[in-house]
Amino acid sequence: DADVTQTPRNRITKTGKRIMLECSQTKGHDRMYWYRQDPGLGLRLIYYSFDVKDINKGEISDGYSVSRQAQAKFSLSLESAIPNQTALYFCATSDNTQKLFFGSGTQLSVL
Amino acid sequence: QKEVEQDPGPLSVPEGAIVSLNCTYSNSAFQYFMWYRQYSRKGPELLMYTYSSGNKEDGRFTAQVDKSSKYISLFIRDSQPSDSATYLCAMRRQGTGNQFYFGTGTSLTVIP
Repeated sequence: DADVTQTPRNRITKTGKRIMLECSQTKGHDRMYWYRQDPGLGLRLIYYSFDVKDINKGEISDGYSVSRQAQAKFSLSLESAIPNQTALYFCATSDNTQKLFFGSGTQLSVL
Repeated sequence: QKEVEQDPGPLSVPEGAIVSLNCTYSNSAFQYFMWYRQYSRKGPELLMYTYSSGNKEDGRFTAQVDKSSKYISLFIRDSQPSDSATYLCAMRRQGTGNQFYFGTGTSLTVIP
């Protein structure tokens, strides 16, 4: 089983809809992250969390919100999706080393 | 100017070739340097990790950091078709709350 699991793997939605992407991990790591990946722009940090009570904005948090429901669960919400949020979204975890462990990604298309 | 610059390629080489992938960066405070490999429709996976300057070797892969030039490299010897992927460099400063800076990735194809 994957250590970092993202659901769904693919999602197509319409402009203005609220959607949630979910992430769960079995690595026992405290630190969790949400990134989006766009061609030519690379990976950009949306939000990160160091523990259940800690939420921090990343480079591009506008239009997104997150919830850290438990040590193992970190969800990303788009309150009102827009087409330029079409991207590949990755959840990642890390412990106190300098290493990130990524899920397989969610391809989101906003029409 | 981006903090980390990486040539996107694409790079195409014959099987068995030596591959050199590179990144430059602007922030001299970066201390930790990583290379990730990303197969199509998969998440990046950590390939090499280096602290500060110097070389690190793991099988066919060698990571090299030159802090004086703000330049890092990944060398792949005896390249295989299974090495075909996108390679991303990443780096971070010490004590910055896990803020990682990524290159945009170089697409590599190894032709049998």
